[in-house]
Amino acid sequence: AAGVIQSPRHLIKEKRETATLKCYPIPRHDTVYWYQQGPGQDPQFLISFYEKMQSDKGSIPDRFSAQQFSDYHSELNMSSLELGDSALYFCASSSLGQSRGFYNEQFFGPGTRLTVL
Amino acid sequence: AQSVTQLDSQVPVFEEAPVELRCNYSSSVSVYLFWYVQYPNQGLQLLLKYLSGSTLVESINGFEAEFNKSQTSFHLRKPSVHISDTAEYFCAAANMDSNYQLIWGAGTKLIIKP
Repeated sequence: AAGVIQSPRHLIKEKRETATLKCYPIPRHDTVYWYQQGPGQDPQFLISFYEKMQSDKGSIPDRFSAQQFSDYHSELNMSSLELGDSALYFCASSSLGQSRGFYNEQFFGPGTRLTVL
Repeated sequence: AQSVTQLDSQVPVFEEAPVELRCNYSSSVSVYLFWYVQYPNQGLQLLLKYLSGSTLVESINGFEAEFNKSQTSFHLRKPSVHISDTAEYFCAAANMDSNYQLIWGAGTKLIIKP
């Protein structure tokens, strides 16, 4: 079965550079979530999109932005990178639209490991 | 505000011994509960979930968890662990108040001693 795809899997950037992370949800999933997991920490919710509109916002820094495109893939854009941005970034997808108001299981991608030097 | 607490940051256990990873949650409304596993250098995988119905849920690899509403707990158990169970285990909760966003525990590293 198709899973959530994230690219790249690994990314190394210098301080103050920009990075773009991509997420391709499971086919027919309409909702995408982004999480940040720092070293030795639990995942922190950043932002989510439903039907190409932002649906929830968590602890996403102002230097970051994200969007969901017409094909439902999502991109997380990170600017002015700082050392503290080094983390594993997970994307998850779900089919929220099929039963709104109830929980829909989030399927996680393998993550993108971002290292800021 | 709702929260998920995993009191043990690490649990060392001998191979073939039983293990329990503790998870407590706070929620004023009906809650969905999950255990995710993260193997070294890998992504998060759903291990098992409680949505409704039977309070005892099982995974295909021998783990089980029991939803205990009175104790607000969802502890994860396995009667006999294997070296391949070495991983970090995250408990998570979601409900209407969180707009079904996952609220995560801090994680518990399961360390299997040979």
